[in-house]
Amino acid sequence: SQQGEEDPQALSIQEGENATMNCSYKTSINNLQWYRQNSGRGLVHLILIRSNEREKHSGRLRVTLDTSKKSSSLLITASRAADTASYFCATDLNRDDKIIFGKGTRLHILP
Amino acid sequence: DGGITQSPKYLFRKEGQNVTLSCEQNLNHDAMYWYRQDPGQGLRLIYYSQIVNDFQKGDIAEGYSVSREKKESFPLTVTSAQKNPTAFYLCASMTSGGSSYNEQFFGPGTRLTVL
Repeated sequence: SQQGEEDPQALSIQEGENATMNCSYKTSINNLQWYRQNSGRGLVHLILIRSNEREKHSGRLRVTLDTSKKSSSLLITASRAADTASYFCATDLNRDDKIIFGKGTRLHILP
Repeated sequence: DGGITQSPKYLFRKEGQNVTLSCEQNLNHDAMYWYRQDPGQGLRLIYYSQIVNDFQKGDIAEGYSVSREKKESFPLTVTSAQKNPTAFYLCASMTSGGSSYNEQFFGPGTRLTVL
Protein backbone atom coordinates (compact mmCIF):
# COMPACT_ATOMS: atom_id res chain seq x y z
CA SER A 1 0.00 0.00 0.00
CA GLN A 2 2.16 2.84 -1.33
CA GLN A 3 1.23 6.16 0.14
CA GLY A 4 4.18 8.52 -0.16
CA GLU A 5 6.24 8.93 -3.28
CA GLU A 6 9.47 10.90 -3.34
CA ASP A 7 10.73 12.92 -6.25
CA PRO A 8 13.31 12.84 -7.70
CA GLN A 9 14.39 9.22 -7.31
CA ALA A 10 18.03 10.32 -7.41
CA LEU A 11 19.79 13.66 -7.07
CA SER A 12 23.43 14.66 -7.44
CA ILE A 13 24.60 18.13 -6.45
CA GLN A 14 27.85 19.89 -5.66
CA GLU A 15 28.90 20.29 -2.06
CA GLY A 16 27.64 23.58 -0.71
CA GLU A 17 24.54 23.68 -2.88
CA ASN A 18 21.02 23.23 -1.55
CA ALA A 19 19.16 19.97 -2.08
CA THR A 20 15.39 19.78 -2.41
CA MET A 21 13.37 16.58 -2.30
CA ASN A 22 9.63 16.29 -2.64
CA CYS A 23 7.07 13.85 -1.32
CA SER A 24 3.53 13.42 -2.58
CA TYR A 25 0.90 11.32 -0.87
CA LYS A 26 -2.59 10.13 -1.64
CA THR A 27 -4.84 10.28 1.43
CA SER A 28 -5.27 12.60 4.39
CA ILE A 29 -2.55 12.32 6.98
CA ASN A 30 -2.04 12.98 10.64
CA ASN A 31 1.61 13.85 10.25
CA LEU A 32 4.51 13.39 7.86
CA GLN A 33 8.03 12.40 8.82
CA TRP A 34 11.37 12.45 7.02
CA TYR A 35 14.07 9.86 7.63
CA ARG A 36 17.65 9.44 6.38
CA GLN A 37 19.34 6.13 5.61
CA ASN A 38 23.05 5.78 5.02
CA SER A 39 23.99 2.86 2.81
CA GLY A 40 23.50 -0.48 4.53
CA ARG A 41 22.29 1.09 7.77
CA GLY A 42 19.07 1.64 9.64
CA LEU A 43 16.95 4.76 9.24
CA VAL A 44 17.40 7.87 11.35
CA HIS A 45 14.52 10.21 12.06
CA LEU A 46 15.08 13.77 10.86
CA ILE A 47 11.91 15.73 11.41
CA LEU A 48 8.16 15.36 11.98
CA ILE A 49 5.60 17.88 10.74
CA ARG A 50 1.97 17.68 11.79
CA SER A 51 -0.95 18.21 9.47
CA ASN A 52 -1.74 21.61 11.02
CA GLU A 53 1.81 22.88 10.50
CA ARG A 54 3.10 24.42 7.29
CA GLU A 55 6.82 24.70 7.86
CA LYS A 56 9.40 23.38 10.27
CA HIS A 57 13.14 23.90 10.69
CA SER A 58 15.87 21.82 12.25
CA GLY A 59 19.42 23.00 11.73
CA ARG A 60 20.11 22.94 7.98
CA LEU A 61 16.80 21.18 7.30
CA ARG A 62 13.59 22.89 6.30
CA VAL A 63 10.40 20.94 5.75
CA THR A 64 7.20 22.30 4.28
CA LEU A 65 3.79 20.68 4.14
CA ASP A 66 0.95 21.59 1.82
CA THR A 67 -2.07 19.49 2.75
CA SER A 68 -4.18 20.97 -0.06
CA LYS A 69 -1.70 19.59 -2.60
CA LYS A 70 -0.90 16.53 -0.50
CA SER A 71 2.80 17.23 -0.76
CA SER A 72 5.85 17.96 1.34
CA SER A 73 9.36 19.10 0.59
CA LEU A 74 12.65 18.64 2.40
CA LEU A 75 15.33 21.25 1.83
CA ILE A 76 18.90 20.66 2.95
CA THR A 77 20.91 23.87 2.83
CA ALA A 78 24.66 24.13 2.32
CA SER A 79 25.02 20.42 1.61
CA ARG A 80 28.00 18.44 2.88
CA ALA A 81 29.54 15.14 1.82
CA ALA A 82 28.05 13.56 4.94
CA ASP A 83 24.56 14.32 3.63
CA THR A 84 25.01 11.62 0.98
CA ALA A 85 22.24 9.14 1.83
CA SER A 86 18.73 8.06 0.91
CA TYR A 87 15.89 10.19 2.24
CA PHE A 88 12.42 8.78 2.91
CA CYS A 89 9.14 10.41 3.71
CA ALA A 90 6.73 8.50 5.91
CA THR A 91 3.09 9.29 6.40
CA ASP A 92 0.99 8.60 9.45
CA LEU A 93 -2.65 7.89 8.69
CA ASN A 94 -3.53 7.70 12.40
CA ARG A 95 -4.34 4.02 12.15
CA ASP A 96 -2.88 1.57 14.62
CA ASP A 97 0.50 3.29 15.07
CA LYS A 98 1.59 2.47 11.54
CA ILE A 99 3.48 4.76 9.21
CA ILE A 100 3.95 4.16 5.50
CA PHE A 101 7.27 4.82 3.80
CA GLY A 102 7.91 6.01 0.28
CA LYS A 103 10.64 4.56 -1.96
CA GLY A 104 13.10 7.34 -1.16
CA THR A 105 15.36 9.84 -2.89
CA ARG A 106 19.03 8.90 -3.24
CA LEU A 107 21.10 12.03 -2.66
CA HIS A 108 24.73 12.17 -3.71
CA ILE A 109 26.88 15.14 -2.76
CA LEU A 110 29.77 15.67 -5.15
CA PRO A 111 33.06 17.04 -3.75
CA ASP B 1 23.46 3.18 26.40
CA GLY B 2 19.90 3.05 25.07
CA GLY B 3 19.09 1.72 21.67
CA ILE B 4 17.79 -1.01 19.46
CA THR B 5 19.98 -3.90 18.34
CA GLN B 6 19.62 -6.51 15.66
CA SER B 7 21.57 -9.69 15.20
CA PRO B 8 23.14 -11.10 13.24
CA LYS B 9 24.27 -8.40 10.83
CA TYR B 10 24.58 -10.92 7.99
CA LEU B 11 22.69 -14.20 7.72
CA PHE B 12 22.83 -16.90 5.11
CA ARG B 13 20.07 -19.43 4.69
CA LYS B 14 19.76 -22.55 2.63
CA GLU B 15 16.61 -23.28 0.70
CA GLY B 16 13.96 -24.83 2.94
CA GLN B 17 15.40 -23.59 6.24
CA ASN B 18 13.71 -21.41 8.80
CA VAL B 19 15.83 -18.64 10.29
CA THR B 20 15.18 -16.26 13.17
CA LEU B 21 16.30 -12.64 13.26
CA SER B 22 16.75 -11.04 16.64
CA CYS B 23 15.58 -7.57 17.66
CA GLU B 24 16.09 -6.17 21.15
CA GLN B 25 15.42 -2.69 22.52
CA ASN B 26 16.14 -1.09 25.89
CA LEU B 27 14.23 2.11 25.19
CA ASN B 28 11.15 0.93 27.11
CA HIS B 29 9.10 1.30 23.93
CA ASP B 30 5.73 -0.38 23.69
CA ALA B 31 5.51 -0.70 19.90
CA MET B 32 7.90 -2.68 17.72
CA TYR B 33 8.00 -3.23 13.96
CA TRP B 34 9.62 -5.39 11.31
CA TYR B 35 10.23 -4.06 7.82
CA ARG B 36 11.66 -5.57 4.68
CA GLN B 37 13.72 -3.46 2.27
CA ASP B 38 14.65 -4.59 -1.23
CA PRO B 39 17.38 -2.82 -3.28
CA GLY B 40 16.37 0.68 -4.29
CA GLN B 41 13.02 0.31 -2.60
CA GLY B 42 11.27 1.71 0.41
CA LEU B 43 10.30 -0.17 3.54
CA ARG B 44 7.44 -2.63 3.58
CA LEU B 45 5.82 -3.58 6.87
CA ILE B 46 5.90 -7.28 7.76
CA TYR B 47 4.53 -7.40 11.32
CA TYR B 48 4.11 -4.99 14.18
CA SER B 49 3.27 -5.19 17.86
CA GLN B 50 1.78 -2.45 19.99
CA ILE B 51 1.91 -4.38 23.27
CA VAL B 52 3.36 -7.55 24.75
CA ASN B 53 1.64 -10.78 23.69
CA ASP B 54 -0.12 -9.08 20.80
CA PHE B 55 0.91 -8.43 17.19
CA GLN B 56 -0.67 -7.67 13.83
CA LYS B 57 0.14 -8.52 10.25
CA GLY B 58 1.53 -5.83 8.03
CA ASP B 59 1.39 -5.68 4.24
CA ILE B 60 3.67 -8.65 3.50
CA ALA B 61 3.27 -11.08 6.43
CA GLU B 62 3.06 -14.28 4.35
CA GLY B 63 6.01 -16.56 5.03
CA TYR B 64 6.99 -14.77 8.23
CA SER B 65 6.13 -15.24 11.91
CA VAL B 66 6.80 -13.23 15.07
CA SER B 67 6.39 -13.42 18.83
CA ARG B 68 6.27 -10.74 21.52
CA GLU B 69 6.75 -12.49 24.86
CA LYS B 70 8.78 -9.65 26.35
CA LYS B 71 8.56 -5.91 25.91
CA GLU B 72 12.22 -5.73 24.94
CA SER B 73 12.23 -8.44 22.29
CA PHE B 74 10.46 -8.98 18.96
CA PRO B 75 12.09 -11.83 16.99
CA LEU B 76 11.18 -12.46 13.37
CA THR B 77 11.23 -15.95 11.85
CA VAL B 78 11.59 -16.24 8.11
CA THR B 79 10.02 -19.56 7.22
CA SER B 80 10.59 -21.82 4.24
CA ALA B 81 7.21 -20.63 2.97
CA GLN B 82 8.75 -17.26 2.13
CA LYS B 83 9.76 -17.80 -1.48
CA ASN B 84 11.99 -14.79 -1.95
CA PRO B 85 13.51 -13.95 1.44
CA THR B 86 16.75 -12.35 0.29
CA ALA B 87 16.49 -8.76 1.54
CA PHE B 88 17.55 -6.28 4.19
CA TYR B 89 15.42 -6.55 7.35
CA LEU B 90 14.93 -3.62 9.67
CA CYS B 91 13.47 -3.60 13.14
CA ALA B 92 12.08 -0.45 14.72
CA SER B 93 10.46 0.61 17.96
CA MET B 94 8.39 3.52 19.13
CA THR B 95 7.23 4.85 22.46
CA SER B 96 3.60 4.71 23.51
CA GLY B 97 1.22 7.51 22.62
CA GLY B 98 0.98 6.71 18.96
CA SER B 99 2.77 7.75 15.81
CA SER B 100 0.99 11.08 15.88
CA TYR B 101 3.73 12.55 18.00
CA ASN B 102 6.52 10.07 17.94
CA GLU B 103 9.31 8.89 15.72
CA GLN B 104 10.39 5.33 15.09
CA PHE B 105 13.88 4.27 16.18
CA PHE B 106 15.60 1.78 13.91
CA GLY B 107 18.11 -0.95 14.45
CA PRO B 108 21.12 -1.39 12.15
CA GLY B 109 19.47 -4.12 10.08
CA THR B 110 20.10 -7.75 9.15
CA ARG B 111 20.99 -8.68 5.59
CA LEU B 112 19.57 -12.11 4.78
CA THR B 113 20.82 -14.04 1.76
CA VAL B 114 19.41 -17.32 0.53
CA LEU B 115 22.03 -19.63 -0.92
